[in-house]
Amino acid sequence: DAKTTQPNSMESNEEEPVHLPCNHSTISGTDYIHWYRQLPSQGPEYVIHGLTSNVNNRMASLAIAEDRKSSTLILHRATLRDAAVYYCILRDVLGGGSNYKLTFGKGTLLTVNP
Amino acid sequence: DGGITQSPKYLFRKEGQNVTLSCEQNLNHDAMYWYRQDPGQGLRLIYYSQIVNDFQKGDIAEGYSVSREKKESFPLTVTSAQKNPTAFYLCASSIIVADSYNEQFFGPGTRLTVL
Repeated sequence: DAKTTQPNSMESNEEEPVHLPCNHSTISGTDYIHWYRQLPSQGPEYVIHGLTSNVNNRMASLAIAEDRKSSTLILHRATLRDAAVYYCILRDVLGGGSNYKLTFGKGTLLTVNP
Repeated sequence: DGGITQSPKYLFRKEGQNVTLSCEQNLNHDAMYWYRQDPGQGLRLIYYSQIVNDFQKGDIAEGYSVSREKKESFPLTVTSAQKNPTAFYLCASSIIVADSYNEQFFGPGTRLTVL
């Protein structure tokens, strides 16, 4: 299974930007980088994904290093509702080739201070 | 609203009993998945199904069984053979389209406690 490394926890203040790092030094050329987050006592939800170029959506931005061995999830203005565990994931192909499994590590626990 | 429902939210069982966790989706997704989460840990894949009447073992299938008789339903049975069943169980679903993203959508989870 492909591996990612994330800090166990990070803190931010409300209304400030947050940069969540992820290392994935064993990434292959076709691996997408995915981010999901899990609010307390809920199921995970998709945040963003990317391959080589930086990506933006309504929730966050994803900055991918040129060598693709690391990436950073950027929350532009953290709110209290962004307090969650953030998972950086490289997908693994399931049998058949068109489907994938998500291997979740421990993720980064983001605390947002008011 | 489309989504995934899991029931019950909390479940208690006595040691040695089998218990079945429900998962239903109305997203018309082909693939469904069961994950287990222990406190402070990430999710681990138990079983997955990509089509009706077919399913495959994930990374930690021992002590669990599933069925996929309908596209929208993927119940998980935790059997007495599962040595440490107390955990948070999450069901997910996704489309399966080649060369597409196939985001997984998760249900709210069932917290199982074995007494």
